[in-house]
Amino acid sequence: AQSVTQPDIHITVSEGASLELRCNYSYGATPYLFWYVQSPGQGLQLLLKYFSGDTLVQGIKGFEAEFKRSQSSFNLRKPSVHWSDAAEYFCALAGGYQKVTFGIGTKLQVIP
Amino acid sequence: DADVTQTPRNRITKTGKRIMLECSQTKGHDRMYWYRQDPGLGLRLIYYSFDVKDINKGEISDGYSVSRQAQAKFSLSLESAIPNQTALYFCATSDRDSSNQPQHFGDGTRLSIL
Repeated sequence: AQSVTQPDIHITVSEGASLELRCNYSYGATPYLFWYVQSPGQGLQLLLKYFSGDTLVQGIKGFEAEFKRSQSSFNLRKPSVHWSDAAEYFCALAGGYQKVTFGIGTKLQVIP
Repeated sequence: DADVTQTPRNRITKTGKRIMLECSQTKGHDRMYWYRQDPGLGLRLIYYSFDVKDINKGEISDGYSVSRQAQAKFSLSLESAIPNQTALYFCATSDRDSSNQPQHFGDGTRLSIL
């Protein structure tokens, strides 16, 4: 079975501070991994994806994520958070054929 | 215009009613998906379609049906709605090289079953 765990349901950071959102996965082989962002009242938008190769992946809006096989993790990072980054973030895994599993999401609050 | 359009955006209805949610896309993608989102559960796949006339069950298909009338259209039906189908529903699309990962989402339909 495959699974995705986002251990932090809510995170609050100050504007300008760095951000790291955690994602751990369980899968028997190398998975495809994704991060999405959801702003209120909108659908999900793909931030970045990891298929293979370089384990540090650059995405849109200044985000990056690092795949660490030894830790079964794919954490999302941003060096300096902007107020517009406040949203809910979802990690997802594509493992078995036609099967994509989403985490439950992390809500990010940005304070001035 | 949005790439993936869902109608209606909001719907309130009663138990036992038949409901249809529509999705249309201008991306030209072959693959379309229906998800539901519930607080604390993330997104769960209801049905997906890789091409016109191709229909596949997802992890929570019971109580739902779909129709892929054309490449651009994928509708979701609740034949006899029940309160635990109250949720936020998303349609999504992807192209053939996406490893079955949804790439473009609609803005969602908020459905309430009383």
